[in-house]
Amino acid sequence: VVMTQSPLSLPVTLGQPASISCRSSQGLVNSDGNTYLTWFQQRPGQSPRRLIYQVSNRDSGVPDRFSGSGSGTDFTLKISRVEAEDVGIYYCMQGTRWPGTFGQGTKVEI
Amino acid sequence: EVQLVESGGGLVQPGGSLRLSCVASGFTFSGRWMSWLRQAPGQGLEWVANIKRDGTEQYYVDSVKGRFTISRDNAKNTMYLQMDSLRVEDTAVYYCVRGGLYDGDHWGQGTLVTVSS
Repeated sequence: VVMTQSPLSLPVTLGQPASISCRSSQGLVNSDGNTYLTWFQQRPGQSPRRLIYQVSNRDSGVPDRFSGSGSGTDFTLKISRVEAEDVGIYYCMQGTRWPGTFGQGTKVEI
Repeated sequence: EVQLVESGGGLVQPGGSLRLSCVASGFTFSGRWMSWLRQAPGQGLEWVANIKRDGTEQYYVDSVKGRFTISRDNAKNTMYLQMDSLRVEDTAVYYCVRGGLYDGDHWGQGTLVTVSS
């Protein structure tokens, strides 16, 4: 499954919203009825951190300015008001079919 | 607090071998699938292998099949990745991840493997 993100570079303004798109080459609904689309954040020099799982479920400790949505083959990560700590690379990943595959990453910079 | 600590990376010549380890703490290790992922320098992320809770099932990405072996010792809360016949293109930071495809969440800090002559 090929995951395609856009844009690959996203200049943002502090306090303004931002949005990242992720498209899959195949539908991501699993045989168990769940859609295993995950969003990760990788800050400079750090390991990836999971933000959102199963399309729209925010992980514990993740600020509520982050939200995920979508279905089928089209998914979106939104940041309602960008803060300085949000700088980094964001990856979508499908876990519905082995092997899990990632998008190319979207670099968010102020 | 969940902690995953990788070790065993280093510089190795093409065709050589390395064994990575991941020591887990802060959760019930035997109750979770575990995975290895990697990130080549300046590149994106790639799933390498994962292993079932009791070690009875393992899955590998095609590029490492027959060369890498994932295993675990639940008594030691440790997961391993035996890497043989290493290639230049295996150069990457290798991450230990709690969970599998469906529920991978916490990542370790990574260990760098460099394959070069």
